Amino acid sequence: DVKVTQSSRYLVKRTGEKVFLECVQDMDHENMFWYRQDPGLGLRLIYFSYDVKMKEKGDIPEGYSVSREKKERFSLILESASTNQTSMYLCASRGLGAGETQYFGPGTRLLVL
Amino acid sequence: DQQVKQNSPSLSVQEGRISILNCDYTNSMFDYFLWYKKYPAEGPTFLISISSIKDKNEDGRFTVFLNKSAKHLSLHIVPSQPGDSAVYFCAAKIIQGAQKLVFGQGTRLTINP
Repeated sequence: DVKVTQSSRYLVKRTGEKVFLECVQDMDHENMFWYRQDPGLGLRLIYFSYDVKMKEKGDIPEGYSVSREKKERFSLILESASTNQTSMYLCASRGLGAGETQYFGPGTRLLVL
Repeated sequence: DQQVKQNSPSLSVQEGRISILNCDYTNSMFDYFLWYKKYPAEGPTFLISISSIKDKNEDGRFTVFLNKSAKHLSLHIVPSQPGDSAVYFCAAKIIQGAQKLVFGQGTRLTINP
C-alpha cells in the first residue's frame, strides 16, 4: 500500500510567520503535488514536482514556494503566512504510467491568526 | 475558470436506493476522468476512473458513465450504504499532458438509514 504522510494534522500560526508543511511518500513516486481544499472550491493545485529539484507552478502558487531535495519528500513553504492561507493542505504522490492515480496524505489543517 | 464543475454541493439519499452524482467539464482535451471519495479529516481516496474511449466503467456497487458529446460524467452507487456518506470529487486530466488533475468542487453525499 502506498503511504503518504504529512508532518502535522493541525497547525496554528500567526500572520507573517514562515510555515513549513512536510510530505513524505514511501513508494518511490516521481510526481508529487500540493493542493489546498476550501469549501465550494474543491481541490486547487498549488505546486507540483516531476522529480528531485524539479518544480512547476500549479493554479494558485502565489504566496507559496516548494522544495524537493529528496525523491520521497516534498515541502510546501508559506513565506509569510496570511489569514487567507487558512485552509486544508493536501499532499499527493503518483508513479509514472498513464493509468496511475494520485495517492493523498491525510491533510494538514492550517489556521493563520 | 472552473473547467470541472459539480453543481450539486450536497445530496441526500435513502439507504438501499441509488445515488447519482454528476459532473460537467468544459475542456474537450480531457481524456481521463476519476472519482475520489473523502471522509472528514482524511485525504481523498481513489474510487473509480474512466478513459474517454469508454462510456461506462463498473466496479462493484460503483459505475461511472461518460457522455463525451455532453461533456458530462456521473457516478452511480447502487445500493447506497451509510458508509458511502462522504464528499465525492470528480477530476479530469489529459493523459499525455502534465499529469495534473483538475478537480470539481465536490458533492457531499449523505445516506440516511
